[in-house]
Amino acid sequence: LAKTTQPISMDSYEGQEVNITCSHNNIATNDYITWYQQFPSQGPRFIIQGYKTKVTNEVASLFIPADRKSSTLSLPRVSLSDTAVYYCLVGDIRGNTNAGKSTFGDGTTLTVKP
Amino acid sequence: SQTIHQWPATLVQPVGSPLSLECTVEGTSNPNLYWYRQAAGRGLQLLFYSVGIGQISSEVPQNLSASRPQDRQFILSSKKLLLSDSGFYLCAWSYRAYTEAFFGQGTRLTVV
Repeated sequence: LAKTTQPISMDSYEGQEVNITCSHNNIATNDYITWYQQFPSQGPRFIIQGYKTKVTNEVASLFIPADRKSSTLSLPRVSLSDTAVYYCLVGDIRGNTNAGKSTFGDGTTLTVKP
Repeated sequence: SQTIHQWPATLVQPVGSPLSLECTVEGTSNPNLYWYRQAAGRGLQLLFYSVGIGQISSEVPQNLSASRPQDRQFILSSKKLLLSDSGFYLCAWSYRAYTEAFFGQGTRLTVV
């Protein structure tokens, strides 16, 4: 089964850059990598999606090495409001990949301190 | 703009009672629709997805069922709730399977 591995939790301080890495050794050729953010008692919110190299939008950057077996979400200058759970998803929203079903996993809880 | 509505926000139901959660999408047509469940402190488990009216794919065999009677309406049901059905239920939509998904605000279900 396609599986993602992320750190369970991370701490940071306001104004710092935060990098969250996700391992996905079984990623298939056609799989995209997508990151979501979730606040307590809310639905996840899309952050960024990529296939290879680097993708940047107004809130984050996504770095994907050539072998695509991992990816790193980079949040520049975090604030207290960035405290949330961050999920890495490989494949599509149904969890389908050519390498089998994947899931959202348990995510990384980021805590930003003042 | 597109919006997704999911209700109710919270629900407390006795064991053995039926369940009906409704989700509707506005501002788009022929969306892919999804039902997820999230246990406390855990990730999302895909329950059902639909690519069109009457087309439902079940991901996890269990006590729940889903229906899509209209293009932008997705309903999650159960005939008899179990304690293990408690959780946070989320509806989502996307244009295609690989595109960005938009989630509703969720329903917190407690079966007592």
